[in-house]
Amino acid sequence: DARVTQTPRHKVTEMGQEVTMRCQPILGHNTVFWYRQTMMQGLELLAYFRNRAPLDDSGMPKDRFSAEMPDATLATLKIQPSEPRDSAVYFCASSTDTRSSGNTIYFGEGSWLTVV
Amino acid sequence: GESVGLHLPTLSVQEGDNSIINCAYSNSASDYFIWYKQESGKGPQFIIDIRSNMDKRQGQRVTVLLNKTVKHLSLQIAATQPGDSAVYFCAEKTSGTYKYIFGTGTRLKVLA
Repeated sequence: DARVTQTPRHKVTEMGQEVTMRCQPILGHNTVFWYRQTMMQGLELLAYFRNRAPLDDSGMPKDRFSAEMPDATLATLKIQPSEPRDSAVYFCASSTDTRSSGNTIYFGEGSWLTVV
Repeated sequence: GESVGLHLPTLSVQEGDNSIINCAYSNSASDYFIWYKQESGKGPQFIIDIRSNMDKRQGQRVTVLLNKTVKHLSLQIAATQPGDSAVYFCAEKTSGTYKYIFGTGTRLKVLA
């Protein structure tokens, strides 16, 4: 059963600490998205990778957020330093090339982050 | 700007009845649409999709209807069950772009 795997599932951290979230996309998927979900904003796109290259990270606060794909099986989202307003659920999703119509994106179960 | 919106934030239905969840989209160039189900504490789960060259698509107990004239999408769930209780999102995309635009979600509550 192919699925997107995210770790950690839950994280509570103190303001100012570094947080790293990891994602393993579905094998064979070359497109990875990071989304943030809050009650107020819904699902917001943070970053988008295709073939490991970051093509769009305009949704991320550049001063504290960074996203990378060290290899095809691992995507990371890092927050340094974390702030209480970063508390949210962070979803990773993957797909085959979504530029073509009809390519569904599949979500992981999310990393639930609380910054106190 | 373009957006995908939902008419009703919460829908309550009796177990066994049919549910209809609606979604309005504003980008007439959108040509692919997906419905997701998100249960509490979980990630969005793909339910069904439809391309703009179709106006209806059926799955197991679910049907998606697309009305391009009025830019409206709906999800019909037959014989709603307690396990259908969740938040349902619609999403749209335009061919040649990579971004999906998500609606705000409708919460479906199934009453026993």
